[in-house]
Amino acid sequence: SYELTQPPSVSVSPGQTARITCSGDALPKQYAYWYQQKPGQAPVLVIYKDSERPSGIPERFSGSSSGTTVTLTISGVQAEDEADYYCQSADSSGLVFGGGTKLTVL
Amino acid sequence: EVQLVESGGGLVQPGGSLRLSCAASGFTFSSYAMHWVRQAPGKGLEYVSAISSNGGSTYYANSVKGRFTISRDNSKNTLDLQMGSLRAEDMAVYYCARDAEAANWYFDLWGRGTLVTVSS
Repeated sequence: SYELTQPPSVSVSPGQTARITCSGDALPKQYAYWYQQKPGQAPVLVIYKDSERPSGIPERFSGSSSGTTVTLTISGVQAEDEADYYCQSADSSGLVFGGGTKLTVL
Repeated sequence: EVQLVESGGGLVQPGGSLRLSCAASGFTFSSYAMHWVRQAPGKGLEYVSAISSNGGSTYYANSVKGRFTISRDNSKNTLDLQMGSLRAEDMAVYYCARDAEAANWYFDLWGRGTLVTVSS
């Protein structure tokens, strides 16, 4: 079955840039999406179609794609960005989420 | 207010059944495909099921196929998930989610979730 691979954790200091990667064989052909989930809350869409930002999402959130890897970049990380981040995509076998990355703001 | 509110979660014994519901408000429910996504305690997100805007097409993850049934009532703006033959591994918070765009399944609106506990 199709899998998306994310690092379990990423740590950055406030004001620095956080990069969270997501790898999958179908990513060159399929869009990727990113969700932010804070403890006890539902996920929130922060990036869609690899690099588009929904309205209401701060400009410090951006997405990019290169080959089999997509990257969520958070520039000028703030304490409020501490959360779990999940990538999501799909292939002919269905929709799949990455395992999630816990972003810690030191 | 645009929102989704799940209900129906609770404690059920292994092998039992449970019906979850999701009430939609603030948008034209009948225009959107809808989905269920679950999250086991302390774990990541897992896709469960989808239904087209008119209810004519459904999709299930292999892990629930043959045990769960998704349905909707566009006259009542509700989405349901009938769960049967429940197993310990089905224990999770179940979220309903709105499909953001036809032909590209992703989710722009989520409910707060309802917890299903499977235990004897």
